[in-house]
Parts: sequence; C-alpha cells; structure tokens
Amino acid sequence: NAGVMQNPRHLVRRRGQEARLRCSPMKGHSHVYWYRQLPEEGLKFMVYLQKENIIDESGMPKERFSAEFPKEGPSILRIQQVVRGDSAAYFCASSPRGGLRTEAFFGQGTRLTVV
Amino acid sequence: DQQVKQNSPSLSVQEGRISILNCDYTNSMFDYFLWYKKYPAEGPTFLISISSIKDKNEDGRFTVFLNKSAKHLSLHIVPSQPGDSAVYFCAASGMNAGNMLTFGGGTRLMVKP
Repeated sequence: NAGVMQNPRHLVRRRGQEARLRCSPMKGHSHVYWYRQLPEEGLKFMVYLQKENIIDESGMPKERFSAEFPKEGPSILRIQQVVRGDSAAYFCASSPRGGLRTEAFFGQGTRLTVV
Repeated sequence: DQQVKQNSPSLSVQEGRISILNCDYTNSMFDYFLWYKKYPAEGPTFLISISSIKDKNEDGRFTVFLNKSAKHLSLHIVPSQPGDSAVYFCAASGMNAGNMLTFGGGTRLMVKP
C-alpha cells in the first residue's frame, strides 16, 4: 500500500535548465496538491489539480511554472529556465476528496537545487 | 499576508513534561484545522485535526484545543517523548477559503531526555 510517491528525491539543475518533478498519488486519490517549502519557511500552496483539470493555481508563479495531472500517469510540476530562487523542497499531497475536509497525505518531497 | 501564524519558531521541553504549540489565524472562513509533524528530509505527516464545531479533540498523547473567538488553536503533547522532536505545522482550510491547506511557518520542538 504505497503512499504518495515523488521522484526524484533530489534534483540538481543549472540555471536556465528545466526541472520536472513527478508525483504519483495514493491509490484511489484523484486530488493532487503541490506545495513549496523555502528554507526556514512553511509550506506554500502552489496548485490543486484533479485528473486532467487544474482546479486552483492561485499559488503558482505566473511565469515558468506549470502543472498537469493527466488521465494516465503521475502529476508533473514543470519549472522552465530555473533560477537560484527556485531552490526549495517541493511537496505533493493527495486526498480522496476535494475541499480538504480531511487530511491530505504528503510525499517525501523533491529537493531542487539550482546551481 | 500570513493567514496562519506560529509565532514560536522553536520550543524546548524536558522528556515527560507537556509540550504546548500555539497557532493563530486571521481568516474567519477557516473552519477546519490540522496539525502536521515533519522530520528532516521527509514529508509532513498528519497528526490530528479539529473542526470548528468542536473546541477540543484528543488522540492519545495529543490534544488540540480551538478557541474560535480568539482565532487561536494549540496542540498539547503529554507526556513529551524524545521521538516527538520534529517541526510541527499548523494548517487551516475552509469551504469558502480556497481549495488548499494554508500552513503556518512551523515550530521546531526539541524534547530533551
């Protein structure tokens, strides 16, 4: 009974490259949330997706960041032309229902380092 | 604009004593509150939650208290154990407060043997 799976666990990119972060939700969960944690800060909401739909992307930077959750396969958070300020831990969470009236289960995160 | 605040970045407690972690919120639309625990290099794990229709919820050594009029909640851990040492995040959600959990900045708890 796997939990939320994120890969890679660690990702190093040079400035200007693209970063792709993957998240497979728990079995039976169709709601996925992405959060970012900057050093010494709390978790900041980025985007909420259901299968093939973006429900809320109010926390996503306007440029370079995109997310998808296709009908088949994991959810992908994509960061184009990365900059040093993108270095952070990116966490994915899933839940069986929307609206977060129950707890969300988090993956172990992807630590992105931009050099 | 921090809607959920944890004003104590760290807390140190002796093993066996009570740990009290505090959290304040500003958005009156929040009606469901959660506490998550996070170890280094791991994702947050759910600990305990409380709905705004209650003022207390207990689960073993963990109790969450909610004071709606003060927009304040607290997590009590008693007795504290060294394995409780972690960062604790308070989070809030609401049917009319967006589709996400809003997190506080976290409190690092250190339980000394």
